[in-house]
Amino acid sequence: AQKITQTQPGMFVQEKEAVTLDCTYDTSDQSYGLFWYKQPSSGEMIFLIYQGSYDEQNATEGRYSLNFQKARKSANLVISASQLGDSAMYFCAMRPLSGGSYIPTFGRGTSLIVHP
Amino acid sequence: NAGVTQTPKFRILKIGQSMTLQCTQDMNHNYMYWYRQDPGMGLKLIYYSVGAGITDKGEVPNGYNVSRSTTEDFPLRLELAAPSQTSVYFCASSYGGPTYEQYFGPGTRLTVT
Repeated sequence: AQKITQTQPGMFVQEKEAVTLDCTYDTSDQSYGLFWYKQPSSGEMIFLIYQGSYDEQNATEGRYSLNFQKARKSANLVISASQLGDSAMYFCAMRPLSGGSYIPTFGRGTSLIVHP
Repeated sequence: NAGVTQTPKFRILKIGQSMTLQCTQDMNHNYMYWYRQDPGMGLKLIYYSVGAGITDKGEVPNGYNVSRSTTEDFPLRLELAAPSQTSVYFCASSYGGPTYEQYFGPGTRLTVT
């Protein structure tokens, strides 16, 4: 079974500052994918970034980067130069390779508020 | 592409009523999912499907049923609605495999009173 833990229920950051949202995971799988999604107050879930367990380099997508530390089983999301529009819930998720079902597991999310 | 569409956006049900939440995707994804999201919580998987004619239970299937007769459609049926089913329901789709992200619908906010 897989488990995703997001220990920060809420985070605050000043506009233009960087912020790190924590995600740790537990799995016995050797191969898996890690994802971050954003959920603004409007409700829709938006895919942000993906990291494969065998990827040597940390993933980056614009202002988003994923700090992947495989030995520590952590996949933290780093948002650089925060903007007011970054205020949202952020969810970490994992899809395993084993079993062939590839069913994702989600964390409980972290609320990010960006102050002007 | 419309992506993943869900209807209705909002619905109020009385206890004991039944309804179907509709979900359609136009991306030819083989995987489809139904989640519920309760306030302050993450997503809990209700049912999923890996292709037309194949469905399986997720973490919280009780009180729900699904069918997948086509690749595009994955309706969720609520029988005998209960207040505990008050939630926001999201449908999602993806390709199979651990490297593929999910695409989500806009959600259905359901209240059972």
